Amino acid sequence: GENVEQHPSTLSVQEGDSAVIKCTYSDSASNYFPWYKQELGKRPQLIIDIRSNVGEKKDQRIAVTLNKTAKHFSLHITETQPEDSAVYFCAATPNQAGTALIFGKGTTLSVSS
Amino acid sequence: NAGVTQTPKFQVLKTGQSMTLQCAQDMNHNSMYWYRQDPGMGLRLIYYSASEGTTDKGEVPNGYNVSRLNKREFSLRLESAAPSQTSVYFCASTGQVTGELFFGEGSRLTVL
Repeated sequence: GENVEQHPSTLSVQEGDSAVIKCTYSDSASNYFPWYKQELGKRPQLIIDIRSNVGEKKDQRIAVTLNKTAKHFSLHITETQPEDSAVYFCAATPNQAGTALIFGKGTTLSVSS
Repeated sequence: NAGVTQTPKFQVLKTGQSMTLQCAQDMNHNSMYWYRQDPGMGLRLIYYSASEGTTDKGEVPNGYNVSRLNKREFSLRLESAAPSQTSVYFCASTGQVTGELFFGEGSRLTVL
């Protein structure tokens, strides 16, 4: 089955700096890679996703890159703000009936002003 | 439109007791999931139901059972609770495997 590794487990940055979180996956059949943000005490929510036919996707201050050959993908947050402080999860799944999203262990991002 | 609703939100059990976590979604989604969240362990998949009438084991199914009661409802049962099952449980649903996963608010379970 799929296994997703996520690094780092914690990340502290100053407001305005960039933050990068990296994930690797094991199943070469995986072709959908979402990122979820979980604020303290809240439920996880999708912030951006990428599919295997795309190498990069951007949405305002966040972007995701995918390297299928190396089986890794990354989340980039530019111009970080205190409200970006949260736990971020990457995930992966094959686009096959009967499969499910497998998540990484999460990265706690702290943005100090 | 409530989305994904889980009950109860909080529960304290004694070792050996049983309980069922209930989950319902009103988005007409085919697939439903149960995850558990523990500090430093991320979201681990317990069981899932890709469509009504089917259920499959996830990463950590031991000690749990599930029932897909109908398209809307997917319950998780602990037959004999153990302290290792102390966790926050999230139910989620999606209309397609490679689509957004919608989570419930979570159920915090403590087993003494």
